[in-house]
Amino acid sequence: ELKVEQNPLFLSMQEGKNYTIYCNYSTTSDRLYWYRQDPGKSLESLFVLLSNGAVKQEGRLMASLDTKARLSTLHITAAVHDLSATYFCAVDNMEYGNKLVFGAGTILRVKS
Amino acid sequence: GAGVSQSPRYKVAKRGQDVALRCDPISGHVSLFWYQQALGQGPEFLTYFQNEAQLDKSGLPSDRFFAERPEGSVSTLKIQRTQQEDSAVYLCASSQWGVEAFFGQGTRLTVV
Repeated sequence: ELKVEQNPLFLSMQEGKNYTIYCNYSTTSDRLYWYRQDPGKSLESLFVLLSNGAVKQEGRLMASLDTKARLSTLHITAAVHDLSATYFCAVDNMEYGNKLVFGAGTILRVKS
Repeated sequence: GAGVSQSPRYKVAKRGQDVALRCDPISGHVSLFWYQQALGQGPEFLTYFQNEAQLDKSGLPSDRFFAERPEGSVSTLKIQRTQQEDSAVYLCASSQWGVEAFFGQGTRLTVV
């Protein structure tokens, strides 16, 4: 069974600080995704990571993938209030069909 | 349209009532997915269509849930005899084959 675990589930941080969200998954995956969700809104795609060692950056967010460790990280640099949201990682694996399997999400609150 | 469109955005149903939720995917997208997101949780897979064929319905929680996509475009998720535990946001996503899926804004269902 394909499972995804995220930690921490809740993160409160000060503006300007750095932090990392971790995403572990149980079996090999084809792709790993990071999404952002604002309250009452749908999922906004942030990154899609395909291969071992992949690193992608957009603004203050950087995502990386280690397929051997089955681990992805989402690193936040110099957090700002606008980054407050819930962040989900998800994986897919064609052996389990085309569905995405999501983690429980990390609620990020950036305090001014 | 430019994105995945879902309707209604909000639905309040009395327990025991039947409901129908609509999803208009991005034009030309072959794959269509339904997910259920309970409050404070990550989305969970319900069912998947490739064109009009329902290839995976392993996530449907009971036989009260039924989905269709008769012409390979618009899809409807129907829930019969709604129960309080059906209260959730229902997300639809569509994609080209094997490519990242795009999510709609969801339908928030509240069963009272």
